[in-house]
Amino acid sequence: EVQLVESGGGLVQPGGSLRLSCAASRFTFSGYWMTWVRQAPGRGLEWVANIKKDGSEKYYADSVKGRFTISRDNAKNSLYLQMNSLRAEDTAVYYCVGALRTEGYWGQGTLVSVSS
Amino acid sequence: QSVLTQPPSVSAAPGQEVTISCSGSSSNIGNDFVSWYHQVPGAAPKLLIYDNNKRPSGIPDRFSGSKSGTSATLGITGLQTGDEANYYCVTWDSSLSSGVFGGGTKLTVL
Repeated sequence: EVQLVESGGGLVQPGGSLRLSCAASRFTFSGYWMTWVRQAPGRGLEWVANIKKDGSEKYYADSVKGRFTISRDNAKNSLYLQMNSLRAEDTAVYYCVGALRTEGYWGQGTLVSVSS
Repeated sequence: QSVLTQPPSVSAAPGQEVTISCSGSSSNIGNDFVSWYHQVPGAAPKLLIYDNNKRPSGIPDRFSGSKSGTSATLGITGLQTGDEANYYCVTWDSSLSSGVFGGGTKLTVL
């Protein structure tokens, strides 16, 4: 069974930075587009960013453009999200997702809280 | 404000059927495939429909999807109490160059 495990979440002050990681196993990681999706407390799903199989294309939601950077290391079967200039509205559970629109492999999520 | 519009809530009795709509525009639904997820509180979302109307392995045929123009619809027949969840549509928006989710629809099985 596919396993995606996020890590790196936690409490950070506004303006701070955090780097999320997602480790994939039992999954042909290099064969899939990967996506970060977040969900604020009590709210719906929000698409954050995605990255092509080989890392050559990256796309971002307007709400995070210029502040977040998605990357991947296919040799390590790992996905990353570097989050800078964090704001209170970035508080959410962040999910790592493989093949969002066709297979839907999701991690369990990691909570990011931005508060002073 | 979501780019894709879903009704906030729908309800029906056990055994009945329900439809959930997802309305968009020519730059998203009108231009790409739609997928549907359901999510129970505290759990990760689960894929129900992809490519407008295809079901992943293990998803019962009580769930169906369709698309017409700039709108998509999820249909659920033979409602069960276990179907109570939040349902989301998702697609790609070529104008935004980003993925977009609907705001979500809470299904209550009365």
